[in-house]
Amino acid sequence: QVQVVQSGAQVKKPGASVKVSCKASGYTFTDFHIHWVRQAPGQGLEWVGWINPKNGAANYAPKFLGRVTMTRDTSISTAYMELSSLRSEDTAVYYCTRDRKPAVVTWFDYWGPGTQLTVSS
Amino acid sequence: EIVLTQSPATLSLSPGERATLSCRASQSVSNFLAWYQQKPGQAPRLLIYDASNRATGIPARFSGSGSGTDFTLTISSLEPEDFAVYYCQHRSNWPFTFGPGTKVDIK
Repeated sequence: QVQVVQSGAQVKKPGASVKVSCKASGYTFTDFHIHWVRQAPGQGLEWVGWINPKNGAANYAPKFLGRVTMTRDTSISTAYMELSSLRSEDTAVYYCTRDRKPAVVTWFDYWGPGTQLTVSS
Repeated sequence: EIVLTQSPATLSLSPGERATLSCRASQSVSNFLAWYQQKPGQAPRLLIYDASNRATGIPARFSGSGSGTDFTLTISSLEPEDFAVYYCQHRSNWPFTFGPGTKVDIK
C-alpha cells in the first residue's frame, strides 16, 4: 500500500534554511508527481509547488519563487523541499502529497503526516 | 491568481441531516475542482475530484456538482465522522489555490 513518511519537526531561526524530506513507498516513485502543501497554525491550506520525480522538473507557486527548491533522490524514493530566508510567517505544517494519477499533475491523493516547522528567534 | 470563496464559514448540523457546502471561483475553473476533508491533527483527505468524481473509498453520501465558477459539496446524511473542515481547491492554472474552508460542526 502507498505510504508517505516525512521527516520530523524542526525549529529554525529567522533567515535560516530548512530541508524537509518525504519518503514514499508502495508504488514506483518516479511515476507520480509529489506536491507540497503547507498550513499555518489555525489557517487554511496553501500549495507550495510540485516536483516530477522522473526528471526532477519542478513548478513553484509565485509566492515562493526564489526561496523554495524541490529535489528528489530516486535511489531512496525520497523528495525534498528546501525553504530559505525563513521568516516567522513560514511557521506551519508542511505536507507532502502524491498525485492521484501517474505522469500528470492532477489532485493530491496520498498525504504524509506533515512536518511542523517553527521559525522563531 | 484564482480566488476561491467558500460559504458558509461554519455549518452547524445534527447527525442525519443534509449538508450543502458552496465554493465559488473568481473566474471559471471548468471542472478542475476538488474537495478535501480535514479533521483536527490530521492531513487532508481527497473526497471529490474533477468537480463530481468520488475518490477511492469515499462513501456515496458525498457528492459534488457544478462547473465554471459555482460548485457544491453535498453530504446527504451526516455521520458522526463527517464533522470536520472541508476545503475546495482548483487546478485550472498556476498557482493552485484552496478556499478558506467550511467547518461542519455538531449542532
